[in-house]
Amino acid sequence: QKEVEQNSGPLSVPEGAIASLNCTYSDRGSQSFFWYRQYSGKSPELIMFIYSNGDKEDGRFTAQLNKASQYVSLLIRDSQPSDSATYLCAVGGPYGNKLVFGAGTILRVKS
Amino acid sequence: DTAVSQTPKYLVTQMGNDKSIKCEQNLGHDTMYWYKQDSKKFLKIMFSYNNKELIINETVPNRFSPKSPDKAHLNLHINSLELGDSAVYFCASSPGSRATDTQYFGPGTRLTVL
Repeated sequence: QKEVEQNSGPLSVPEGAIASLNCTYSDRGSQSFFWYRQYSGKSPELIMFIYSNGDKEDGRFTAQLNKASQYVSLLIRDSQPSDSATYLCAVGGPYGNKLVFGAGTILRVKS
Repeated sequence: DTAVSQTPKYLVTQMGNDKSIKCEQNLGHDTMYWYKQDSKKFLKIMFSYNNKELIINETVPNRFSPKSPDKAHLNLHINSLELGDSAVYFCASSPGSRATDTQYFGPGTRLTVL
């Protein structure tokens, strides 16, 4: 049974700082890695996905993947109070479309 | 233009009752899912259908029965509801059933069993 682990937090950062969210996974055959954001009482919404080792940037967000270390991270630059939410790491593969989610990290951005 | 919609949004019922949750997606996706998110916010897959065919069936009590009348709809029927079934149930869809296909979630149905 593959596992995805995240620090539950809360991670508190001041407004304008960089927030760093981390995730490790157990299945070396995992192929796809997703970051979802979930506000309280709302559904998960996709922020980014990454499939290959290295960095992938989208606006203020950067996803980093290191398959050798089985580690994926999400960096949020210039953090805003509206970024305060739970961030879910999800891992897919190697077979089919089953996503395994981590328990999520609570991020609090203080103004 | 809601992409993935669910009804009802809230469902409060007594133990032992039978209830259904409905999901519809207008994204043209082939694959749909049911997830359960418990009180600890842990999101876990229950079922997945691809073009009306069941492709993922996790270890879920057989009181839970999914049905997909067509690829745009996926319903979840729950028999003999128990207190432990209280959770938020999310429907999701993706273009296909590959590991790299992004899943998009509906707004969720909060089920409370009294």
